Amino acid sequence: AQTVTQSQPEMSVQEAETVTLSCTYDTSESDYYLFWYKQPPSRQMILVIRQEAYKQQNATENRFSVNFQKAAKSFSLKISDSQLGDAAMYFCAYTYSNTGKLIFGQGTTLQVKP
Amino acid sequence: EADIYQTPRYLVIGTGKKITLECSQTMGHDKMYWYQQDPGMELHLIHYSYGVNSTEKGDLSSESTVSRIRTEHFPLTLESARPSHTSQYLCASSEGGGAGNQPQHFGDGTRLSIL
Repeated sequence: AQTVTQSQPEMSVQEAETVTLSCTYDTSESDYYLFWYKQPPSRQMILVIRQEAYKQQNATENRFSVNFQKAAKSFSLKISDSQLGDAAMYFCAYTYSNTGKLIFGQGTTLQVKP
Repeated sequence: EADIYQTPRYLVIGTGKKITLECSQTMGHDKMYWYQQDPGMELHLIHYSYGVNSTEKGDLSSESTVSRIRTEHFPLTLESARPSHTSQYLCASSEGGGAGNQPQHFGDGTRLSIL
C-alpha cells in the first residue's frame, strides 16, 4: 500500500531564512506524481509545487523548490527567504493513478518568526 | 484563486438531523473529491467522481453519500448526523484526462459539529 510520511509535526524558521520540510513515501509504482500543498489557518488549501517521478530535474517555483530522491523515496520542500505569509500547515501528497486520488502525509505546521 | 465553493462554512446541528454539504465548481472539471480532515490532521478521501453519474467510495469508510447529477455540483449528504461525524469536510476538483498530475483545487471547507 502507498503511504506518505511527514516526520516533522512542527517546524519554525526565522523570517528571511531557509527551511526544509521532509517527506518520505512508499510505493511499488515507477510512474507517479508528488505534490506539496499549503493550508493556511482557516483558509483554502493551495498547491505549492508538484513533481513528476519520471523527471530527474527537481521542480522549482520561485522561493519553493524540492529535493526529489527517487531511489530513497524522499521528497523534501525547501522554502527560501521565508516570509510571514508562509506560515501554514504543509502537506506532502502522492498519486499514481489517473483517478488523481491523493494520499496525504500527516502535515507539518510551519511557524515563521519575525 | 480556484473557483470552487462550499456551503455552509460552519454548521452546528443536533444529532439525527439530515445534512447536505454543498460543493460547486465553475471550472468545468470532470473529477471531484470529498475529503475528511480532523483538526491538525491529514486529509482522508471519502468520495470521488470521474464525471456525471459517476461516484466511488474513497479510502476512508464514511456513512455519507454523494451524487453527481451535474458536472459542477457534488453534494455530500449525511442522512442522520452523529457526533462521530464532527470534522472538517473539504471538496476538491481537478481536470480530467489520463494524467494523474493535474493539481486539485480545494474549496474553503465546511466545519461540521454535531451536538
